[in-house]
Amino acid sequence: DIQMTQSPSSLSASVGDRVTITCRASQDISNYLAWYQQKPGNVPKLLIFAASTLQSGVPSRFSGSGSGTDFTLTISSLQPEDVATYYCQKYISAPRTFGQGTKVDFK
Amino acid sequence: EVQLLESGGGLVQPGGSLRLSCAASGFSFSGYAMNWVRQAPGKGLEWVSGVSGSGDSTYYADSVKGRFTFSRDNSKNTLFLQMNSLRAEDTAVYYCAKSRGGGVSDGYDCWGQGTLVIVSS
Repeated sequence: DIQMTQSPSSLSASVGDRVTITCRASQDISNYLAWYQQKPGNVPKLLIFAASTLQSGVPSRFSGSGSGTDFTLTISSLQPEDVATYYCQKYISAPRTFGQGTKVDFK
Repeated sequence: EVQLLESGGGLVQPGGSLRLSCAASGFSFSGYAMNWVRQAPGKGLEWVSGVSGSGDSTYYADSVKGRFTFSRDNSKNTLFLQMNSLRAEDTAVYYCAKSRGGGVSDGYDCWGQGTLVIVSS
């Protein structure tokens, strides 16, 4: 099975900072990758699909890039409402594995 | 508005069974693959199972294969997850989630609120 590894597992940043989260697949998954945001006590929310396509309604400060095995989620200017755990997911084939998550909070 | 509403969670003893349901509304149900994702308390997301729009194809995580069965009734816009031989490690909130496109290989653009399953004696 293809493994998904996110880094870092957690990070602290300030309002306005540029934040980057990486996700690495153990095999080539082309662009079959999604990013989700889960705020405390809430259900997950789709941010990006096909590695770089922004889901409707998601602020443009979120962006995704990558293909093959290495992917990144970038928040260009961190806002207070972005405190959450972020997950990548590969969906090229079953099992449609999630990364272990990256918790983002404020310094 | 797309809505997913899970039900059927609860407390069950190890080795027992439980059947979860997910009622869908607001979209052309049979045209979309659907999925179950679970989250153990304080832990990350774990993909459990997926089913095609027609229900002809199902997929399972190794951790539940042979114990869980995912089905759908397109006439009632409802999903079912039959969970047998439950273990303590199956304790989690179970979410049903809709695939964004028609196929199984897509992100999940709508999630239910989840139903809690606790496996304990």
